[in-house]
Amino acid sequence: AQSVTQLGSHVSVSEGALVLLRCNYSSSVPPYLFWYVQYPNQGLQLLLKYTTGATLVKGINGFEAEFKKSETSFHLTKPSAHMSDAAEYFCAVSEYGNKLVFGAGTILRVKS
Amino acid sequence: SAVISQKPSRDICQRGTSLTIQCQVDSQVTMMFWYRQQPGQSLTLIATANQGSEATYESGFVIDKFPISRPNLTFSTLTVSNMSPEDSSIYLCSVRGGTGSSYEQYFGPGTRLTVT
Repeated sequence: AQSVTQLGSHVSVSEGALVLLRCNYSSSVPPYLFWYVQYPNQGLQLLLKYTTGATLVKGINGFEAEFKKSETSFHLTKPSAHMSDAAEYFCAVSEYGNKLVFGAGTILRVKS
Repeated sequence: SAVISQKPSRDICQRGTSLTIQCQVDSQVTMMFWYRQQPGQSLTLIATANQGSEATYESGFVIDKFPISRPNLTFSTLTVSNMSPEDSSIYLCSVRGGTGSSYEQYFGPGTRLTVT
């Protein structure tokens, strides 16, 4: 069975600082991995995805993530945080591209 | 990416009643999914709805409580039956989009349900 663990339910960074949100997954087959962002009172927006190929994937709003099979990780990073990045971020795994299994989410706070 | 709309966007319902949530997609899609997001929690898949077949429910969810219809390739409904306060959640539909190698899912804006 698939599972996702997001380390840190809340992360706080200063504006301009590095953003690092951690995600580890468990999957019995090569996984498809996703990061979604949810702004208050809104639906989920896809930030980026890894399916096959290049292990460093770039997404929208300057975010990127690296798939590390040996570490079963898919951490999300952004070099410089912006106030508009404050939101909740969900990591998700999918086997064979069907249902998504989500992590518990990480709320990102950006301090001015 | 697909554009997805849901109706209603929010509702307040009394316990014991039922609510039907509609999900409309702007393109034909094979697979549609219904998720629940309980207050302060992550998303959990309720069921997968493919056009022309019965919905497939995840463990802990049953058809009598969450009947789903999928009459065509652009539309689906989820009914929350005999509601209790524990059903207060955001219900989201999603569709699988992209090419055969992409498998990303796109989500509707959600229906915020409060049961009193």
